[in-house]
Amino acid sequence: KNQVEQSPQSLIILEGKNCTLQCNYTVSPFSNLRWYKQDTGRGPVSLTIMTFSENTKSNGRYTATLDADTKQSSLHITASQLSDSASYICVVSAQTGANNLFFGTGTRLTVIP
Amino acid sequence: NAGVTQTPKFQVLKTGQSMTLQCAQDMNHNSMYWYRQDPGMGLRLIYYSASEGTTDKGEVPNGYNVSRLNKREFSLRLESAAPSQTSVYFCASSPTVGEQFFGPGTRLTVL
Repeated sequence: KNQVEQSPQSLIILEGKNCTLQCNYTVSPFSNLRWYKQDTGRGPVSLTIMTFSENTKSNGRYTATLDADTKQSSLHITASQLSDSASYICVVSAQTGANNLFFGTGTRLTVIP
Repeated sequence: NAGVTQTPKFQVLKTGQSMTLQCAQDMNHNSMYWYRQDPGMGLRLIYYSASEGTTDKGEVPNGYNVSRLNKREFSLRLESAAPSQTSVYFCASSPTVGEQFFGPGTRLTVL
């Protein structure tokens, strides 16, 4: 069964600290993996996309990693800011199937001053 | 460009009432989607339209109908609202293959 699991469910960190969010998936055949950021009361916005051949990709203070062998991805946030407070959703695309997107339930990150 | 717009932003219905959620995109995308998001659950696909003139059921289609009015617009209709349909509804669009762009959402409460 195609599934995406994220951990932790929620996380509270101090401003300026780093954190890492995890995503494990069983989606097959794998096409790509996206991390979305969803601010409270808004729709998700894509942060980065990882394809099978990519191990690491950065977008400012956000760095995503992918291990296609173990089917794991992580999102590392460096020097957190209050504006990083949001839910982070991992979305995995399968290569086949008309309905081929699988969503994680998200990690709720709260950055406190 | 406005991206993906949704109306209304908030709605309260009584059980049995009907309503239509509107969605429009100005990015010339072929594909459009309707999702619902409930606490503790991921986004779940209700219906999608891979291209103008086509619609298909997603994971949770029961109690909903959709219309792809033209390439820009994709509406979601609740014919007889139920409390279980209380949720936040998101519309999204994408090129045939690629990133999905989401609207701001509609918060629906069914009493």
